Amino acid sequence: QKEVEQNSGPLSVPEGAIASLNCTYSDRVSQSFFWYRQYSGKSPELIMSIYSNGDKEDGRFTAQLNKASQYVSLLIRDSQPSDSATYLCAVNRGSGNTGKLIFGQGTTLQVKP
Amino acid sequence: DAGVTQSPTHLIKTRGQQVTLRCSPKSGHDTVSWYQQALGQGPQFIFQYYEEEERQRGNFPDRFSGHQFPNYSSELNVNALLLGDSALYLCASSNTGALRGYTFGSGTRLTVV
Repeated sequence: QKEVEQNSGPLSVPEGAIASLNCTYSDRVSQSFFWYRQYSGKSPELIMSIYSNGDKEDGRFTAQLNKASQYVSLLIRDSQPSDSATYLCAVNRGSGNTGKLIFGQGTTLQVKP
Repeated sequence: DAGVTQSPTHLIKTRGQQVTLRCSPKSGHDTVSWYQQALGQGPQFIFQYYEEEERQRGNFPDRFSGHQFPNYSSELNVNALLLGDSALYLCASSNTGALRGYTFGSGTRLTVV
């Protein structure tokens, strides 16, 4: 079992729709969770972080965390063609300031005009 | 405020050769982590440096080594290059371990022929 699992996709949604990206993790003691966006040929860019159960909203993005189910999700509202990218789920493994980020393989999102 | 800078951006090497990649962390960051990202995969953790010492290491052979300097900059060295070492090498920095996520550099694309 991989430490962080994502469906590789591609996930295809029409412009203006809600895109839902999912991620599961195996280490129950993980405390920090992140979503990175990576455009083709570019480096990952942090778009959302979440640390406690529930929802966290930032503009068109909402991150959801359920520690009991070991599940993190990212919702993108009003999807735009510019949102087409690979979305990487990352989990902090370790404690305090000594942890490291473990990444899933990423989900490719295609937003069609 | 400069972000994470990596050099070179692209590199072509021959099997068996050695390569050195360089990274300067974001101002105020003291921890540097290195990742390898193969095409279509998520970033894989190589190792992390803090206070000039390797603090954590992923599942990579001893051919991969690194160094951190007093100014927090870092180098990644790979000896006896294999074709399978062809990948995007990402440097990430932080000042809280992985608790608040990483800032990534633009990466070095290494091609081994």
